[in-house]
Amino acid sequence: AQSVTQLDSHVSVSEGTPVLLRCNYSSSYSPSLFWYVQHPNKGLQLLLKYTSAATLVKGINGFEAEFKKSETSFHLTKPSAHMSDAAEYFCVVSQRGATNKLIFGTGTLLAVQP
Amino acid sequence: GAGVSQSPSNKVTEKGKDVELRCDPISGHTALYWYRQSLGQGLEFLIYFQGNSAPDKSGLPSDRFSAERTGGSVSTLTIQRTQQEDSAVYLCASSSNSGAPYEQYFGPGTRLTVT
Repeated sequence: AQSVTQLDSHVSVSEGTPVLLRCNYSSSYSPSLFWYVQHPNKGLQLLLKYTSAATLVKGINGFEAEFKKSETSFHLTKPSAHMSDAAEYFCVVSQRGATNKLIFGTGTLLAVQP
Repeated sequence: GAGVSQSPSNKVTEKGKDVELRCDPISGHTALYWYRQSLGQGLEFLIYFQGNSAPDKSGLPSDRFSAERTGGSVSTLTIQRTQQEDSAVYLCASSSNSGAPYEQYFGPGTRLTVT
């Protein structure tokens, strides 16, 4: 079975400092991985996706994630946090097969302090 | 272009009543998913439709839940005899199923409160 584990339920950073949101995955084959963001009272928005073409994936709003097979990790980073980055972030794996349903991590709530 | 739309945005209902939630996917998307987001369970898959194939209902939590997709487009999720534990945000997503990994586009959700 595939799964993702988000290691931190809450992360707080100061504006202008780096962001690191951690995610580990479990999969018996090469997974399809995503990061989604959910702003308060808003829908889920795709930040980036891992397609196996490149291990370093760049997404929207300056976010990127690196797929590390040896560590089974797919951590999300951003060099400099902005106040508008405050939101909940979900690491997601797509279940391979006819359904391609998404399996979500428990989420990390990012707070950005001025 | 238009994204995934859902209605109503909020629904308050009394325990025991039936509710219908609607999803209008992105035009041309053949795949449609329903998910539920609740405090206790996080985000969980409910049901999947792909074209004219039989739906994957493996995530539906009980037989009080059902869904249909008419004409390969609009979908309705029905919850019969609602219970307080059904209170959650119900999210719909659609996908074109081309260009793997298939990106799913989410609607804004319907917040269901069962009193």
